[in-house]
This record gives sequence, C-alpha cells and structure tokens, in this order.
Amino acid sequence: ETGVTQSPTHLIKTRGQQVTLRCSSQSGHNTVSWYQQALGQGPQFIFQYYREEENGRGNFPPRFSGLQFPNYSSELNVNALELDDSALYLCASSFLHTEAFFGQGTRLTVV
Amino acid sequence: AQSVTQLDSQVPVFEEAPVELRCNYSSSVSVYLFWYVQYPNQGLQLLLKYLSGSTLVKGINGFEAEFNKSQTSFHLRKPSVHISDTAEYFCAVSEVEGGSYIPTFGRGTSLIVHP
Repeated sequence: ETGVTQSPTHLIKTRGQQVTLRCSSQSGHNTVSWYQQALGQGPQFIFQYYREEENGRGNFPPRFSGLQFPNYSSELNVNALELDDSALYLCASSFLHTEAFFGQGTRLTVV
Repeated sequence: AQSVTQLDSQVPVFEEAPVELRCNYSSSVSVYLFWYVQYPNQGLQLLLKYLSGSTLVKGINGFEAEFNKSQTSFHLRKPSVHISDTAEYFCAVSEVEGGSYIPTFGRGTSLIVHP
C-alpha cells in the first residue's frame, strides 16, 4: 500500500506567476483535501474533492483551484501568486470519515 | 462551524516526566476528534482519533486522550516523554453532520522535551 505522495517537495516562484502542485492519494482512498500551513500555524483547509467533485471549500479566493482525476490523484493550482502564499501545502487523502493521511507537503516560496 | 483552541503554544518538559497538551473545541453537532504530530519539515501523522465509543482513546507512541463532552475537551497525555517526542502537535475536529468530514485544526502546541 503506497502512501500519499506530493510533488514537487520545494519550489520557488515569482509574485504574479502560476503554480501547480500535485498529489497522489493513498490506495483505496477517494477523498482528497488540500491545506495551507503558514510558518508557525496550523493547517488551514483550502478545499476537498470527493469522486472528482469539489466537496467543500475554505476561506480562500478563487485563484486557488483544484482538480481530482479518475484515479483520485489531485492538483492544486494557484494563479497570480502573492508573497503571502508562501507556505507548506499539504495534501491529505481519506476514505469517508476515517482519518486523513497526509503527504510530506510542498514548500512554496514566493519572491 | 467548528473551531479548535489549543491553549498552550509551547510546552517545555523534562525527559521521563508526564505531559498534557490541552485542546478545547466548539461545535453545535456531534464531532470526531483527532490528534496529529508533525516533525520538522514533514507532513502530519495521526496519533489517535475519537469517533465513538469509549471516551479514553489510546494511540501510537504511548499517547492517549480523553474525550470530555461536557467540557468540550480532548486533552492529549503521555505518562513519560522521550526526547524523540519533541515535535508540533495538532488537535483537529470534524463535524459528523453533513458528511464532508473536513477537519479543522488548532494552531498547534510545540512540545519541547529537555534531557
């Protein structure tokens, strides 16, 4: 059974650019959630996908968007990057209400 | 909407001493409760969870937590800590109603174990 994997692990982008982060779910999981974790803070919920449909969204602007694919992998896209978007982005997969399994995260730095 | 308060941002403790990390939540409906641990530059790992049943929940690495519905608390305890327990600990709650099961996290408590 493979765990949750995220790519890339680190990246640096310039303000105004666009970025795509990727996540492969754990085998057997059909739900993917994305979180933003700023330095010294707890993870903040961005959105969740269940069977390729958005199933909930946190307080993030529309320039944060996502996709879930038929194999339940997922992408997080962020347009018009701002300096405050610098954070650790965490992907978590789960099956219904069982616990979420987290990937190692992608560290995004916006300069 | 649910919310989580972790009352201590930092808890320093000596090795082999007991520790309690406090967590209170707010919700108008039934909840599931979780504790996660995060080591530096890593993702979150589940320590334990409360879904239903016994209010005393045992997890990995010798941790346990007790769900207290009347006090809306879910404090994490360990009778004897090790240096390797130094990490960030997050309490999370998700509401049962609605079916989305999206956990809300607290701001975290940094456990610092001194030799």
